[in-house]
This record gives sequence, C-alpha cells and structure tokens, in this order.
Amino acid sequence: DAEITQSPRHKITETGRQVTLACHQTWNHNNMFWYRQDLGHGLRLIHYSYGVQDTNKGEVSDGYSVSRSNTEDLPLTLESAASSQTSVYFCASSLLAGGNNEQFFGPGTRLTVL
Amino acid sequence: DAKTTQPPSMDCAEGRAANLPCNHSTISGNEYVYWYRQIHSQGPQYIIHGLKNNETNEMASLIITEDRKSSTLILPHATLRDTAVYYCIVRVFGGAGSYQLTFGKGTKLSVIP
Repeated sequence: DAEITQSPRHKITETGRQVTLACHQTWNHNNMFWYRQDLGHGLRLIHYSYGVQDTNKGEVSDGYSVSRSNTEDLPLTLESAASSQTSVYFCASSLLAGGNNEQFFGPGTRLTVL
Repeated sequence: DAKTTQPPSMDCAEGRAANLPCNHSTISGNEYVYWYRQIHSQGPQYIIHGLKNNETNEMASLIITEDRKSSTLILPHATLRDTAVYYCIVRVFGGAGSYQLTFGKGTKLSVIP
C-alpha cells in the first residue's frame, strides 16, 4: 500500500547542530508539506512544495530549509538547531491542485534540542 | 486571523452521536469546509469536506447551514477510538493558497464509556 513515512521518529540533538528530518511518500503526490506542532498551538506550516524543484515558505519558516529533488521526498533541514525548535514535526502530501482534495499526514518526528 | 471558532472541549457518551460545531462566519464563496482529527501522538487524519451541501461518508456527516456561516460534524455512533482533537478548517478552492491547511486549536472530544 502507498504510504507516507518519516524518519527518525524521535531525535535528540544539541543546540547549533544541523539536523535533517526525512519525509518519503509513495503516492506520487505533487504537493508536500512540513508542519510543526507545539503545545498550545495547532499545526503551523513551515515549508511546502508543489513539485520537483519548487519550494515555498510557510508561516514559520525561519531557521528551516527544504529541497525537492524528486517527487517522493521532501527533507526538512534545521541549519543550526535551537531550543525553540523542539517540537513534533509532521510531513503531509496531497495529489491534486485546488482546494478540493485532502492531505495525508505522516506519523510525525519528535525533535528535542538540548 | 482565526477563520474558524470551535469549542475547546466536548464530552460524548459511547454509542451516542457526537455533534461538533464550528463557526466560520467570514467564509467566502470559494472556500470549502474541511474536518480533520488527530488522535493522540498521531498525524492528523482527513474526515470529510464540503462546500454548501450536506455530505456523508463512512466516517461522519457534515451539515453546513444554508448561509454557510457554521457547520456541524456528526459522528453517528461515537466509540472510544473517536477520542481525539477535531479541527475545522476553511480552505480556498483554487489559486496559490489552496494547497495549504491552516489549523486552529480544534475541539478535544472525549468519548466516555
């Protein structure tokens, strides 16, 4: 069955380190998204991509970057991890253009920055 | 700016219908109403969406008022596994912003045995 996976599921790192979170989907979806979720907040959009070589900033993009070299993967990189980036990160994908389609979410990565 | 308003929490007895309200009084003509839920520690899960007609699928029913300013998600026979945070989202159809979902804080539904 097609799916969306994230790795690692849990990560502990130190302030200042570079960290990359992986997201892989096998649905051949054009659109992929990264969200973060913190206590007291809903999910907030970090970056998104509408296709290969396309990337866009979301609501909370500072300190994060993404690249889209193929359809299946959208890795999220924290260039220099900060304690404020301790959070749960969710990747999602969707197939079609327009608002009449659903997003499928991965299981999440819990990141702790010490 | 918040585009939807939901109660922070609700309880429902197991086996009963759960009716989750959402206010979206500023909704535009080209915006859909979407519902997602998030069971503890999992990624959000799509439930249902609609534009102006009532919708039903295997998970739930969505009732949208005629003026489209509010809607209700109905879980007809709630089970313990329906305990989750439920998010009501309005989403533009078409255009550059239509791919994104903007999540609020949702309603925490607790299904009680």
